[in-house]
Amino acid sequence: AQTVTQSQPEMSVQEAETVTLSCTYDTSESDYYLFWYKQPPSRQMILVIRQEAYKQQNATENRFSVNFQKAAKSFSLKISDSQLGDAAMYFCAYKKEYGNKLVFGAGTILRVKS
Amino acid sequence: KAGVTQTPRYLIKTRGQQVTLSCSPISGHRSVSWYQQTPGQGLQFLFEYFSETQRNKGNFPGRFSGRQFSNSRSEMNVSTLELGDSALYLCASSLEGPTGTDTQYFGPGTRLTVL
Repeated sequence: AQTVTQSQPEMSVQEAETVTLSCTYDTSESDYYLFWYKQPPSRQMILVIRQEAYKQQNATENRFSVNFQKAAKSFSLKISDSQLGDAAMYFCAYKKEYGNKLVFGAGTILRVKS
Repeated sequence: KAGVTQTPRYLIKTRGQQVTLSCSPISGHRSVSWYQQTPGQGLQFLFEYFSETQRNKGNFPGRFSGRQFSNSRSEMNVSTLELGDSALYLCASSLEGPTGTDTQYFGPGTRLTVL
């Protein structure tokens, strides 16, 4: 069975600084998808970024980028120019190539200091 | 385009009762998945429905069931409620294009409290 591990229960970053959240996963599949979701205190889960395993290029969405290391099964999220609105719980998630079952990590609480 | 909607947003039940939660996907989305979120177990996959058929199921007891209607709206039912069923229940929908996979978009959740 696939597993996702987020080793940082909590992280803090100063406003305007950069922070990296870690995620590792375990799978025997060669094709799959990885996601970072953000869950603010309102509890609405919001997609941050998505990465297809067959793509070597790291995904980027504005201030959010990933470092995808397929061989190491690592998928970290970098947030640049952190803003107060980035404060939330961040979940790393894995999905097989087909089907819609997401396997989530335990989450990392990100606190942004002004 | 409206997002995923879930009703009700909050629910309080007592042990032994049953409950039905509803999810309306984004217009045009045909796949609906359900997740349970608790502080102890985190986010866990319950099941997925596509074209009114259950396509995938998580490791939950038979007390948890669901269905999908022809308009892609989905309901999940929990019978004989237990205290441990208290959780945030999240619904997610996806377009399900020709490649067979798409990003899932989540609703705001239903907070179920079992007393």
